[in-house]
Amino acid sequence: NAGVMQNPRHLVRRRGQEARLRCSPMKGHSHVYWYRQLPEEGLKFMVYLQKENIIDESGMPKERFSAEFPKEGPSILRIQQVVRGDSAAYFCASSPQDTLNTEAFFGQGTRLTVV
Amino acid sequence: SQQGEEDPQALSIQEGENATMNCSYKTSINNLQWYRQNSGRGLVHLILIRSNEREKHSGRLRVTLDTSKKSSSLLITASRAADTASYFCAPLYSGTYKYIFGTGTRLKVLA
Repeated sequence: NAGVMQNPRHLVRRRGQEARLRCSPMKGHSHVYWYRQLPEEGLKFMVYLQKENIIDESGMPKERFSAEFPKEGPSILRIQQVVRGDSAAYFCASSPQDTLNTEAFFGQGTRLTVV
Repeated sequence: SQQGEEDPQALSIQEGENATMNCSYKTSINNLQWYRQNSGRGLVHLILIRSNEREKHSGRLRVTLDTSKKSSSLLITASRAADTASYFCAPLYSGTYKYIFGTGTRLKVLA
């Protein structure tokens, strides 16, 4: 059973371009969480999704950021018109059900650099 | 903020010594997890401790939970240079489903 797969591992975008980050949860996991980590900081919650549903997007910036978790395929975090401040590591986690009594498994992250 | 607060922020010890990291949180929790992050890498899950548990062990790791004090500790015994990493606690507050991470403890084990 492969772990949580994120790609790309590194992504460089020029200001104004779009960034698409992908996350394939572990097999059998239907819950996905996205977190952002700035240098020397902890992880900040962004969004929680179940298949085809956004459950909680309270940590998402109001503009330019969107996330989806379609019935088929990976979860996508999309950042439009990137700015330098979007440079960070973005981590995805998945769990088989809600996290009441199960741990969340994290991917290796995507490091986004905006130049 | 409801994030777990790790203490100390940084810790430097000699190989073979024990390392203790503490975590405080705000309100009642369902469980609390500890993660390790090596520089520039993803998070590795270490231990999950539930609110009705007081202590858990995994190899050289020992985690305690004191719900009356709203705190948890992670003890690494007989530390090794390979234990050098940042350690995060992530409480899962009651009635929620998202883990809230603190800024971590940066542990450096000197060979």
